[in-house]
Amino acid sequence: GQSLEQPSEVTAVEGAIVQINCTYQTSGFYGLSWYQQHDGGAPTFLSYNALDGLEETGRFSSFLSRSDSYGYLLLQELQMKDSASYFCAVTPAGGSYIPTFGRGTSLIVHP
Amino acid sequence: EAGVAQSPRYKIIEKRQSVAFWCNPISGHATLYWYQQILGQGPKLLIQFQNNGVVDDSQLPKDRFSAERLKGVDSTLKIQPAKLEDSAVYLCASSLAGAGNTIYFGEGSWLTVV
Repeated sequence: GQSLEQPSEVTAVEGAIVQINCTYQTSGFYGLSWYQQHDGGAPTFLSYNALDGLEETGRFSSFLSRSDSYGYLLLQELQMKDSASYFCAVTPAGGSYIPTFGRGTSLIVHP
Repeated sequence: EAGVAQSPRYKIIEKRQSVAFWCNPISGHATLYWYQQILGQGPKLLIQFQNNGVVDDSQLPKDRFSAERLKGVDSTLKIQPAKLEDSAVYLCASSLAGAGNTIYFGEGSWLTVV
């Protein structure tokens, strides 16, 4: 099976940079994804890392290190609208491609 | 492009009653998922369809939950009889087949069992 660990809550101020970590245990996987979910809304896709290294998409970057079983989401130039829950998810190897989600990190951005 | 559509958006029922949720995935998406999300937790997969076939339903409580995708497009998730612990958001999602494809979620159906 798979298990993922994320901090339950992170707080930061507007304009700052914040990193949300995700550590995982899995026997094998295709990639690590990140999703954002605002209160009452649907999870929306942010990024996917199939290979080790950094993927950058605007203010958001995601990093994966398979050797360390670790990844992170980096949010730069934080805005109030970034206050949301962020989930990491692994897509396990084995054919079904079913992502398993972590419990999520609640990001609170203060003015 | 239209997103994943779900209905009803909200539902309140008494325990032991039944409820059904409907989902229309994004056009052309062969893979459809039903996830259960309890408040404060991440989405937990209940069932995955590939076209009209079930890929994985290992976490579906089959004594009370059922799901179908008869024509490989729309899907229905049913709970009968409902328990208090079934109170959650039921998220339908769809994707193209294969690893690494983005999963698109619907807004969810919020169920409260009283």
